Parts: sequence; C-alpha cells; structure tokens
Amino acid sequence: GAVVSQHPSRVICKSGTSVKIECRSLDFQATTMFWYRQFPKQSLMLMATSNEGSKATYEQGVEKDKFLINHASLTLSTLTVTSAHPEDSSFYICRSVIGVSEAFFGQGTRLTVV
Amino acid sequence: AQKITQTQPGMFVQEKEAVTLDCTYDTSDPSYGLFWYKQPSSGEMIFLIYQGSYDQQNATEGRYSLNFQKARKSANLVISASQLGDSAMYFCAMREGPMNRDDKIIFGKGTRLHILP
Repeated sequence: GAVVSQHPSRVICKSGTSVKIECRSLDFQATTMFWYRQFPKQSLMLMATSNEGSKATYEQGVEKDKFLINHASLTLSTLTVTSAHPEDSSFYICRSVIGVSEAFFGQGTRLTVV
Repeated sequence: AQKITQTQPGMFVQEKEAVTLDCTYDTSDPSYGLFWYKQPSSGEMIFLIYQGSYDQQNATEGRYSLNFQKARKSANLVISASQLGDSAMYFCAMREGPMNRDDKIIFGKGTRLHILP
C-alpha cells in the first residue's frame, strides 16, 4: 500500500535553531500534504495544507514565517520550524490522501526544544 | 462549536470484551466522511475504518465496526473481542464535503482505551 515516510522520528534541538521535517510519498504522487501538530495528550490540530508547486495554506493562528512549508515536488513536502523555542516542542505529523477513504500518515516527528 | 465530540477521555475494558467508543459530529454538509484512527504510544496514526455519509450499510473491518446513526449524528466505533494490543488512543475524525484532494480532516479529542488482562 501507499506509504508516507517521515523523518526524523525524533529530534532534540537547541532553542533558536531551525529544524526541518521531511515527508516523502514512496509509491504515489502526493499533490497535497497536510501538516498536523499534536501536544501531549491532545488531539491533532491542522497547521497547514501544502500543495505541490504553490504556497501553503495556513490555518488561523499558525505563523507562516515560523513554520515554513515547502512542497517542491510530487513526492516531498517539508516543514521547517524556524528559530525553535521550547513551546514548539510537540509531535508533528504529515498526512496525504489517495482516493475517497484513504489517508496516509507519516510516522510522526517528536520535536523537543531545549 | 466542536465538530467532533468524543465524550470518553478514558476507558478500561476487560480483555475479550466488546467495547464501544462514542463519537458524535456536527455538520450541515450532506456529504461527509467519518474516520476512526488508532494511535499507539509510538505516535503513528493507524487507519481503522471509514464511513461515507451516503453509505447505506455500517462499515466493518475485521473486529472493527462503525455504528452509524445518521439522524443522531453518531458514529461509534465497536471493537469486538478486545485484545491487549488494542490499548491505545482512538480518534474519531470527519471530512466535510465530497472527497477531493484538498480535503481536511478534523479530529476529536480522542479516547484513551486500556485493555485489562
């Protein structure tokens, strides 16, 4: 079946640095990728929708200059957390879509900013 | 207003018993889709089952079935013969509108299920 590969699975970074998270579609073309954020013991909150070759659409309250999304090809979408701070520590997960009822998630990235 | 409501933050169930996880939703769109996902401690999101708003029959996938009560806007997940490996967080989710590649899925707050040996 279709697979979305997300890397890294875990990352610890220093405050003020930037972190890039990648999601690759391995055997299908992902024209659209959704990026979610999940705080501990909470639900997934949609951050932004990226479309190949165009600017991402951000949900209300999400800083686009803070969370840079690039979807330059049909198989790769990236989320960069710029100038990370401890409050950015969270679980980030991407999702792509195939067909009516199928949605494929990446494995998720647990970001810890120290 | 919440679009997806899961009223059970946590549940404890004895192994081999059936369990029902509640989910109600709110939408005025006649076309929508309902999903259930399982999230173990590793964090991955595992797709369990899907129900389209126009589907006549309740969806079933192995030990999972979706009790779809359209008039009540209810989409409860039923797990039959629960197993220890079913212990996880379970999320109900909804897509509003007909399927297209730009669809968004909205998640409920989740239910933490604990299966007791």
